[in-house]
Amino acid sequence: DTGVSQDPRHKITKRGQNVTFRCDPISEHNRLYWYRQTLGQGPEFLTYFQNEAQLEKSRLLSDRFSAERPKGSFSTLEIQRTEQGDSAMYLCASSLWEGGADTQYFGPGTRLTVL
Amino acid sequence: TQLLEQSPQFLSIQEGENLTVYCNSSSVFSSLQWYRQEPGEGPVLLVTVVTGGEVKKLKRLTFQFGDARKDSSLHITAAQPGDTGLYLCAANAGNNRKLIWGLGTSLAVNP
Repeated sequence: DTGVSQDPRHKITKRGQNVTFRCDPISEHNRLYWYRQTLGQGPEFLTYFQNEAQLEKSRLLSDRFSAERPKGSFSTLEIQRTEQGDSAMYLCASSLWEGGADTQYFGPGTRLTVL
Repeated sequence: TQLLEQSPQFLSIQEGENLTVYCNSSSVFSSLQWYRQEPGEGPVLLVTVVTGGEVKKLKRLTFQFGDARKDSSLHITAAQPGDTGLYLCAANAGNNRKLIWGLGTSLAVNP
């Protein structure tokens, strides 16, 4: 399977704990996106990378959230001191940006539940 | 602020009926994508449209990009229970900007 993969698929944690999610994009894709999604709503943009450079972060991304893509391949999203409001589906997507349509392909998501 | 408005927000129909979902904006876009998402899964790309007035068909689904590239529609003919899901549109304003997302249309097709 050469699609976008995410790990873990599900994560249950207690409030105050740190969690880290991983995303492996489609290998030739240079852009990688992180989104958050709550039930019945569209994806909410968090941040994106072009190669290893983090080009934009949403103002919704508090200081507790950090994302990295150190070698321009896989990416990690860390949430520190989790809160119950962080409970959501965290989606990763990748695309091959060549100046045209930025068609994004999504992974299956990581469902986070903060107790 | 660029916005994509999807309508209707919710739609519940009987198997065999036709439906149309709309994605509208006051902004011009260089391309627009439609995705379908099932509960607990990531969105799956259905189509990308790039040319004003473009029409693409995917089996019973017909996608149209407005002549002015500000809006799009998705028409489903003879809906089936397997069409149930969240339909999302996303558009690219070009100039290296990230995609703008609609809030989605939640479709339920009842047998």
